[in-house]
Amino acid sequence: NAGVTQTPKFRILKIGQSMTLQCTQDMNHNYMYWYRQDPGMGLKLIYYSVGAGITDKGEVPNGYNVSRSTTEDFPLRLELAAPSQTSVYFCASWNALNEKLFFGSGTQLSVL
Amino acid sequence: KNEVEQSPQNLTAQEGEFITINCSYSVGISALHWLQQHPGGGIVSLFMLSSGKKKHGRLIATINIQEKHSSLHITASHPRDSAVYICAVIRGSQGNLIFGKGTKLSVKP
Repeated sequence: NAGVTQTPKFRILKIGQSMTLQCTQDMNHNYMYWYRQDPGMGLKLIYYSVGAGITDKGEVPNGYNVSRSTTEDFPLRLELAAPSQTSVYFCASWNALNEKLFFGSGTQLSVL
Repeated sequence: KNEVEQSPQNLTAQEGEFITINCSYSVGISALHWLQQHPGGGIVSLFMLSSGKKKHGRLIATINIQEKHSSLHITASHPRDSAVYICAVIRGSQGNLIFGKGTKLSVKP
């Protein structure tokens, strides 16, 4: 199993550009999450999904969109990048009560 | 008031000391996770708890569902344990993930 694969690892965007952060897991997990981590700060939940076709907003959803057309994939879309979206983004997945959370390796995004 | 509170925020210990990090939450949960993040690194899940106690090596995690409280203990601490430890809960009825602000642990040799 590859676990949670997150791409890209690094990206620099100009203000107003758009991009999609990819997240794929091969563990058949129902729950998937996107969160961001600002320098020296805690983790904030952006969006989450409890299964294919179902998504919900987290704490900081503004400026982002997600979709969950399959169990495996949970892409995060930034439509009009703003400097406030400069952050490190992590994707995570989880399934049963006996399992740990699995994390992607993170995407460092800078908006200039 | 945050739904997940961790204490202390910062902790400095000498190598070999016994360490306790606390997590209290105010919502109904289906699970609680303890996570570890080394400086500049990714995030690793240490434990998932829904009841009782779990042990892995020098790490012990406990949860008291009635009191809505969990603790992470590190026995015989080592400098390589220096990291940020994060408590995260999965909300029972909704499935969303709520994080504590983390505890920054520094273990001095």
